[in-house]
Amino acid sequence: KNQVEQSPQSLIILEGKNCTLQCNYTVSPFSNLRWYKQDTGRGPVSLTIMTFSENTKSNGRYTATLDADTKQSSLHITASQLSDSASYICVVIRNSGNTPLVFGKGTRLSVIA
Amino acid sequence: EAQVTQNPRYLITVTGKKLTVTCSQNMNHEYMSWYRQDPGLGLRQIYYSMNVEVTDKGDVPEGYKVSRKEKRNFPLILESPSPNQTSLYFCASSWDGYGYTFGSGTRLTVV
Repeated sequence: KNQVEQSPQSLIILEGKNCTLQCNYTVSPFSNLRWYKQDTGRGPVSLTIMTFSENTKSNGRYTATLDADTKQSSLHITASQLSDSASYICVVIRNSGNTPLVFGKGTRLSVIA
Repeated sequence: EAQVTQNPRYLITVTGKKLTVTCSQNMNHEYMSWYRQDPGLGLRQIYYSMNVEVTDKGDVPEGYKVSRKEKRNFPLILESPSPNQTSLYFCASSWDGYGYTFGSGTRLTVV
């Protein structure tokens, strides 16, 4: 069964600290993996896109990693800011099928002063 | 500005009263999709469209209808809304069917 599991479900960190969010998947055939940031009450916005051959990709203070062998991805946030408070959704895209996107349920991050 | 526009942003209605949520994109994308998001369940696809006059069911299509008469618009129709359709709805569009740009959402409450 195609599934995406994210951990933790929620996380609270102090402003300025780093954190890492996890994504494990059992989706096949694999095309690519995307991390989205969703502010409360808003639509998800793409942060990174990773293909099979990419191990690491950065977007400012966000760094995503992908291990296609173990089917794991992580999103590392450096020097967190209050504006990083949001839900982070891992989406794995299949290379076939009519509904290729498989969504994780997200990690709710709260950054506090 | 490239965007997906949904209207309305908030809607409260009564059970059984037909409603339409509009969605429009200005990126000339062929793919469009509707999702609902519920606490603890994440985003689930309702319907999607691969081009004009081409639509298909997603994972949770029951109680919904869509149409794609023109490329830029993809309205979501609830013929007889019920309380279990209370949710946050997102329209999204994509040029390749994989990377989607999402609208700002419509929060629907059915009482």
